[in-house]
Amino acid sequence: QVQLQESGPGLVKPSQTLSLTCTVSGGSISSGSYFWSWIRQPAGKGLEWVGRIYSTGSTNYNPSLKSRVTMSVDTSKNQFSLKLSSVTAADTAVYYCARDTYYHDSGSYYSDYWGQGTLVTVSS
Amino acid sequence: EIVLTQSPGTLSLSPGERATLSCRASQSVSSNYLAWYQQKHGQAPRLLIYGASSRATGIPDRFSGSGSGTDFTLTISRLEPEDFAVYYCQQYDGSPRTFGQGTKVEIK
Repeated sequence: QVQLQESGPGLVKPSQTLSLTCTVSGGSISSGSYFWSWIRQPAGKGLEWVGRIYSTGSTNYNPSLKSRVTMSVDTSKNQFSLKLSSVTAADTAVYYCARDTYYHDSGSYYSDYWGQGTLVTVSS
Repeated sequence: EIVLTQSPGTLSLSPGERATLSCRASQSVSSNYLAWYQQKHGQAPRLLIYGASSRATGIPDRFSGSGSGTDFTLTISRLEPEDFAVYYCQQYDGSPRTFGQGTKVEIK
């Protein structure tokens, strides 16, 4: 059973860089037709797709965040990471990592395994 | 960006009743690229429906999805106590992927 676990500081100061890591267990981050995504959710609000990365390092970012987002993957550690620079209070949210699996009968990827989420608060 | 608008915002129903949730897109979405997620309080979302109408692994058959173009529907045929949650649609057709704002199904 694949499991994902987010880790990183729960408090980040404004203008600094938010850094999170997602550790994947129960399967290799390099195997299969998977992308690895970050999704965030401000308290009491809806979900926002941040971006995704493939095991080769290929990325897709949400254009609204693209100038501040960097994702990377470490296959030796079975981890992928998110960096979001120049954060403000608007970046306060629960951040989820997820595995996107290719569903052949649909011809698209869907997020079928998620981490439990980690709350990141931006405050001085 | 494709905007997804879900209605109603809140649905108040009793266990055993039928729930019908709507998701309307600002432009046509390929049916293959529309999903529904369930989120319970304090938990991560769970994939229910992909490709607009296919149930994900382990999802009970009381959940069904339908629709095409700009109008999609999630139906829960008979609500069980564990079904009271927030439901989101998501499109994977255009970039960026976007979610609807959610429909809360609450106990009446």
